[in-house]
Amino acid sequence: AQTVTQSQPEMSVQEAETVTLSCTYDTSESDYYLFWYKQPPSRQMILVIRQEAYKQQNATENRFSVNFQKAAKSFSLKISDSQLGDAAMYFCAYLARGSNYKLTFGKGTLLTVNP
Amino acid sequence: GAVVSQHPSWVICKSGTSVKIECRSLDFQATTMFWYRQFPKQSLMLMATSNEGSKATYEQGVEKDKFLINHASLTLSTLTVTSAHPEDSSFYICSASGRSLNTEAFFGQGTRLTVV
Repeated sequence: AQTVTQSQPEMSVQEAETVTLSCTYDTSESDYYLFWYKQPPSRQMILVIRQEAYKQQNATENRFSVNFQKAAKSFSLKISDSQLGDAAMYFCAYLARGSNYKLTFGKGTLLTVNP
Repeated sequence: GAVVSQHPSWVICKSGTSVKIECRSLDFQATTMFWYRQFPKQSLMLMATSNEGSKATYEQGVEKDKFLINHASLTLSTLTVTSAHPEDSSFYICSASGRSLNTEAFFGQGTRLTVV
């Protein structure tokens, strides 16, 4: 079975600084997708970034980028120029192709942004 | 992005009563919907997978007679908590996926259920 591990229950960063959230996963599949979701205090789940496993290039979305290391099964999220609005719970998630869209979530990392 | 609407956003009910939560995809056909339960400061726990027109598939440990799921159309799935007890109090979230969405899941706003 696939597992997703987020080893940092909590992280904090100063406003305008950079922070990296860690995620590792375990799978025997070769074709899959990885996601980072953000859950702010409103509790609405928001997709931050996604990565297709077959793509070697790391995904980027404005201030958010990932470091995808397929061989190491690592998928970290880097947030640059952190803003107060980035404070949230961040979940790493895995999806195997052909799995009927079933996501496997990590336990989450609570990010605090200090002004 | 696609929109998933979940209602109600919060509900308080008495022990022993049933409560229904709706999850609607507003601008796409959701071939698959998922229901999650989330405890404070924890991750989403998948309860069941719902495919349109077929019976839901429940995760191990989830009572299917207590958490009734219906996915009667490509835009609507409902979760009914039957004979609710205080321990059923939680945050429930639905998500929807479809062939047109290229694997991305879209989430409802969640429902805070309090059983008194």
